[in-house]
Amino acid sequence: AQKITQTQPGMFVQEKEAVTLDCTYDTSDPSYGLFWYKQPSSGEMIFLIYQGSYDQQNATEGRYSLNFQKARKSANLVISASQLGDSAMYFCAMRTGANNLFFGTGTRLTVIP
Amino acid sequence: GAGVSQSPRYKVAKRGQDVALRCDPISGHVSLFWYQQALGQGPEFLTYFQNEAQLDKSGLPSDRFFAERPEGSVSTLKIQRTQQEDSAVYLCASSPGGKLNTGELFFGEGSRLTVL
Repeated sequence: AQKITQTQPGMFVQEKEAVTLDCTYDTSDPSYGLFWYKQPSSGEMIFLIYQGSYDQQNATEGRYSLNFQKARKSANLVISASQLGDSAMYFCAMRTGANNLFFGTGTRLTVIP
Repeated sequence: GAGVSQSPRYKVAKRGQDVALRCDPISGHVSLFWYQQALGQGPEFLTYFQNEAQLDKSGLPSDRFFAERPEGSVSTLKIQRTQQEDSAVYLCASSPGGKLNTGELFFGEGSRLTVL
């Protein structure tokens, strides 16, 4: 069975500082993909970053990077130089053999000016 | 359109009523997904289409839930005899290929259903 765990219901960060959002996962499938999505108050899920289980390097997309520690089954999202517009819900998700995504419960990030 | 379009954005139904939620995916996208997101929770998978074929409906919570995509484009999620526990945001997503690869899953803004 697949499981995604996000243990931080809410996080605060000062504008321009970096923040790490935690995500751990559990799967017995050797091939899987890990995703982070942002959900602003409008409700739309916005894709941020992807990491494949066989990727050797941590994924990066602009100010987003994924700290992938395979042995610890963690896939933390790091947002550098936080902006006010980063305030939103952030969801970690995993795809295994099945053709759909399993989501965590999310972390609400608030950026303080 | 440029993105995934869902309608209605908001729906209030009395318990026992039937509702229909529409999803218009990005043109040409093969795969279409429905998710249910309860308040304060992450989205939960309901069903998946590849073109007009419903390949996975394992997430549908009961036989009151029915989804279709008859021509491989627009999809409708129907909920019969709505119950209060059906209150949630229903998200539709589409993907260009037949298999999820590197996150090419595009979501609509969702339809918020409130059952009184």
